[in-house]
Amino acid sequence: AQSVTQLGSHVSVSEGALVLLRCNYSSSVPPYLFWYVQYPNQGLQLLLKYTSAATLVKGINGFEAEFKKSETSFHLTKPSAHMSDAAEYFCAVSDDLSSASKIIFGSGTRLSIRP
Amino acid sequence: GAVVSQHPSWVICKSGTSVKIECRSLDFQATTMFWYRQFPKQSLMLMATSNEGSKATYEQGVEKDKFLINHASLTLSTLTVTSAHPEDSSFYICSAPDRGPGAFFGQGTRLTVV
Repeated sequence: AQSVTQLGSHVSVSEGALVLLRCNYSSSVPPYLFWYVQYPNQGLQLLLKYTSAATLVKGINGFEAEFKKSETSFHLTKPSAHMSDAAEYFCAVSDDLSSASKIIFGSGTRLSIRP
Repeated sequence: GAVVSQHPSWVICKSGTSVKIECRSLDFQATTMFWYRQFPKQSLMLMATSNEGSKATYEQGVEKDKFLINHASLTLSTLTVTSAHPEDSSFYICSAPDRGPGAFFGQGTRLTVV
């Protein structure tokens, strides 16, 4: 069964600093990988997704993630943090053996931005 | 992009009563939808897969008699929390498949049982 592990339940960075949120996956087949953002009491917004087309995936709001098969990782980065980036971030995985829409989420990382 | 809408966005109910949450795909048809629940400061846990015209498939540990799912049309799935108790208080989110890998998520429903 596929799963994702997010390292660090809380990450705090200064405004303008690099954002790095870590995610490692476990899957017996080539996975589809996602990063979602959730603001308080709201649903999920897709930041980006990896579907095997390219290992470096660019998403919305300046975020990007790189799929590294050798490290089974899909870390999320942003060169310069903005106050509006403060939110909960979820790494997620699915495969196409069952349903590519059945998404399994990591435990989440809360990102705080210091002024 | 495609939109998935949930209603209500929040609800408070008395212990022992039942609550129905609707999940609609607004501009596309969805033969399959998914229901998740999220406890405070925790991740989303998949509860069940809702299948149009057939029974839902529940994840291990989810009580099918407590969380009734109906997917009577290609644009509507409902989740009914029966005989709700305070421990059922949670954030419930539905999703519907994207054309490719992934899904569209509703805005969520905050259920508080008092």
